[in-house]
Amino acid sequence: DAGITQSPRHKVTETGTPVTLRCHQTENHRYMYWYRQDPGHGLRLIHYSYGVKDTDKGEVSDGYSVSRSKTEDFLLTLESATSSQTSVYFCAISETGVSPLHFGNGTRLTVT
Amino acid sequence: ELKVEQNPLFLSMQEGKNYTIYCNYSTTSDRLYWYRQDPGKSLESLFVLLSNGAVKQEGRLMASLDTKARLSTLHITAAVHDLSATYFCAVIGGAQKLVFGQGTRLTINP
Repeated sequence: DAGITQSPRHKVTETGTPVTLRCHQTENHRYMYWYRQDPGHGLRLIHYSYGVKDTDKGEVSDGYSVSRSKTEDFLLTLESATSSQTSVYFCAISETGVSPLHFGNGTRLTVT
Repeated sequence: ELKVEQNPLFLSMQEGKNYTIYCNYSTTSDRLYWYRQDPGKSLESLFVLLSNGAVKQEGRLMASLDTKARLSTLHITAAVHDLSATYFCAVIGGAQKLVFGQGTRLTINP
């Protein structure tokens, strides 16, 4: 398996609190992605990064921010969590941006 | 805006039978991916199809791509229970953004 670690694996938080999810890779891949998975929607891209400090928005970026200060770490922050952000979040990496994605094991986030 | 649609979304079939999952996409692309997800697990890459007419096969799964029709198919031959999973197709939109279909949940019954 590609070396991707997501933390935490599970989190329950209250509406209005900030939450940060971490994705750590040991593959030195340039591209990193955050997706959310919800029933009936497949996976939807939140944000992605094409290099250190280089990030861009995906199709569902509202309410989320990201940071990438080093190649190996990509952080996803929910500034003020809402119940609509209850989801499973997957981090993925790609060596070239067109090579297949390798996914982490996911973080199940519940916002109460 | 790129849209990727799969059908069917749910498929229940018997072992030994053949079936096909369809993936349509709305804008031109010459690169299509298939992924598999087991319940409660992450996604794993199955195939990358790189050009019109491309065909890839692994075991009982065969994927093909028709870029002119903007259609990919994932064909399952003589299904076995171990192939029960959710299958996703995905297409690259602009700027290396991968857009996924809704997924097809495949259940194979003895």
